[in-house]
Amino acid sequence: DQQVKQNSPSLSVQEGRISILNCDYTNSMFDYFLWYKKYPAEGPTFLISISSIKDKNEDGRFTVFLNKSAKHLSLHIVPSQPGDSAVYFCAASDTGTYKYIFGTGTRLKVLA
Amino acid sequence: NAGVTQTPKFQVLKTGQSMTLQCAQDMNHEYMSWYRQDPGMGLRLIHYSVGAGITDQGEVPNGYNVSRSTTEDFPLRLLSAAPSQTSVYFCASSFRVQETQYFGPGTRLLVL
Repeated sequence: DQQVKQNSPSLSVQEGRISILNCDYTNSMFDYFLWYKKYPAEGPTFLISISSIKDKNEDGRFTVFLNKSAKHLSLHIVPSQPGDSAVYFCAASDTGTYKYIFGTGTRLKVLA
Repeated sequence: NAGVTQTPKFQVLKTGQSMTLQCAQDMNHEYMSWYRQDPGMGLRLIHYSVGAGITDQGEVPNGYNVSRSTTEDFPLRLLSAAPSQTSVYFCASSFRVQETQYFGPGTRLLVL
């Protein structure tokens, strides 16, 4: 059973526009969420995180929103740049279990 | 400061062979983990460790063993490789479980 779901396998966005990547989770015990970016043949790199006590966290062009009641988080990238083209993974953890559960990823393509 | 290093980068094994995937970090991180990435499956946690001498199972531990004799090293052992273990393996580390994880570059494993 997939506890963390990224239902859009791919997304294409024009350069300069907003990219919105979505992630849903089923386990209400998750209390820490992260987004990672992955280029081909490289390991994932950390982008931004949010704990369950917040509903928004910003870092430059990247903002993560958390809706606990809907068990949904989203990553907004504004403005999108061609270098943002990569696979984006969301991940969730529960303090008590020491485990991270990752989604299946969304491939973002930013068109110049 | 090399971060998280993994060796080898690529390995071909025959069914039934054994091997060890090496992972090392020089950041004095307590938490280390192993993931495998398969098409359409995202990253799945194999085993993790919250400190030297302490390991536990993740989502997909069968067929893999780990040990953590030092803070720096966290090797992953395949005792009898199977074609289903063909995958890309990533090692990651962080100071504690709910902090930024840093990933290694990955090991691509092909089991024939």
